[in-house]
Amino acid sequence: AQSVTQLDSQVPVFEEAPVELRCNYSSSVSVYLFWYVQYPNQGLQLLLKYLSGSTLVKGINGFEAEFNKSQTSFHLRKPSVHISDTAEYFCAVSGSARQLTFGSGTQLTVLP
Amino acid sequence: GAGVSQSPSNKVTEKGKDVELRCDPISGHTALYWYRQSLGQGLEFLIYFQGNSAPDKSGLPSDRFSAERTGGSVSTLTIQRTQQEDSAVYLCASSSRDSPLGTEAFFGQGTRLTVV
Repeated sequence: AQSVTQLDSQVPVFEEAPVELRCNYSSSVSVYLFWYVQYPNQGLQLLLKYLSGSTLVKGINGFEAEFNKSQTSFHLRKPSVHISDTAEYFCAVSGSARQLTFGSGTQLTVLP
Repeated sequence: GAGVSQSPSNKVTEKGKDVELRCDPISGHTALYWYRQSLGQGLEFLIYFQGNSAPDKSGLPSDRFSAERTGGSVSTLTIQRTQQEDSAVYLCASSSRDSPLGTEAFFGQGTRLTVV
């Protein structure tokens, strides 16, 4: 069984400030990790993924995430956010099953 | 097609009626997934198709829910005798590979179902 915990349901941040969205997972097998973004009234868009190799992965729109196996974390970061980054962000994990298990989501609100 | 297409985009139905939700995956994608997104429940996995067969339907919440896929392409999710708790956004996703990496999925914009 696998699960994902997103520790913050809402994160407000001022424009051009850095942001970190936290994600922890649990799984009994090796996992693949993903971050998706959902803009209002739209579907999910893949931001980045960790499959293997370098633990620091870079995605679209200037986001990056670091896989930390010892802490079972996959936190998402951006050094300087824009108003357009306002959206809901979902961390997800997949293992031996072919389905994605999602966290409960973090609403990022960028304030002017 | 260019992306995953779902129809209708919005559906309002009366309690007790049956509804059908349609998903057109990206052309050539062999794997197809249905998820449900509702307030307080987050994103829940419903069912996974590989081709026309469903090796994992563990997420279907009750026997009122069923899904099929024909021709390895279009999928229909059917909810019988809808209840108010079925109100949610139903998301479809498709993926090009049958492997654990097949979860690199592309999502449609969803069908918002409201049961009144």
